[in-house]
Amino acid sequence: QSALTQPASVSGSPGQSIAISCTGTSSDVGGYDYVSWYQQYPGKAPKVMIYDVTNRPSGVSNRFSGSKSGNTASLTISGLQAEDEADYYCSSYTSISTLVFGGGTKVTVL
Amino acid sequence: QLQLQESGPGLAKPSETLSLTCTVSGDSFSRTGFYWGWIRQPPGKGLEWIGTVHYTGSNYFNPSLKSRLTISIDKSKNQFSLKLTSVTASDTAVYYCARLQLWFRQIDFWGQGTLVRVSS
Repeated sequence: QSALTQPASVSGSPGQSIAISCTGTSSDVGGYDYVSWYQQYPGKAPKVMIYDVTNRPSGVSNRFSGSKSGNTASLTISGLQAEDEADYYCSSYTSISTLVFGGGTKVTVL
Repeated sequence: QLQLQESGPGLAKPSETLSLTCTVSGDSFSRTGFYWGWIRQPPGKGLEWIGTVHYTGSNYFNPSLKSRLTISIDKSKNQFSLKLTSVTASDTAVYYCARLQLWFRQIDFWGQGTLVRVSS
């Protein structure tokens, strides 16, 4: 199975909004509403930020939002803050009952 | 609060078998709707899903690793284990154990991760 496609890096100034895309196929992202997004700081385990395309787990800031159109899902971070600087990964359930991750996006706060 | 803890050797020799165990505490290992799995991350690289198992024994594996992979459950000890055979340097990674929800819709709890190096 091929990894989902994410941009290697995205940057923005404090207070701005940024979006990270996650492109798959009709066999994964486009076929199921089981896309999730993870935030990972260096040396730490990932933390779920969005699941089921748009849902935020309890305790996650409402500055994080998710969406999907066709085979591409997106994570938007509004009101960018220094603490948002991290790596972000998308994942999706697939038609062969597996899980596939994106290659990861490094978010830099300028 | 659910906790997961990986344990096992931090070094494996090429062509040998990598073995890790994850101990689950703080919640029922057999709760309906949850799965248990392994994810790895080579140094400086992205996440790779290895495989997932349900307490009933149903398992789901990454096709690229399936021929080398065993994931088993020991319900009496609240543990699940990973065995990856014929390892090479490319299997060097931080290995995470985790809890996944139905349809793998989210990974809601992670272990802290353990680095396994493959080297002679």
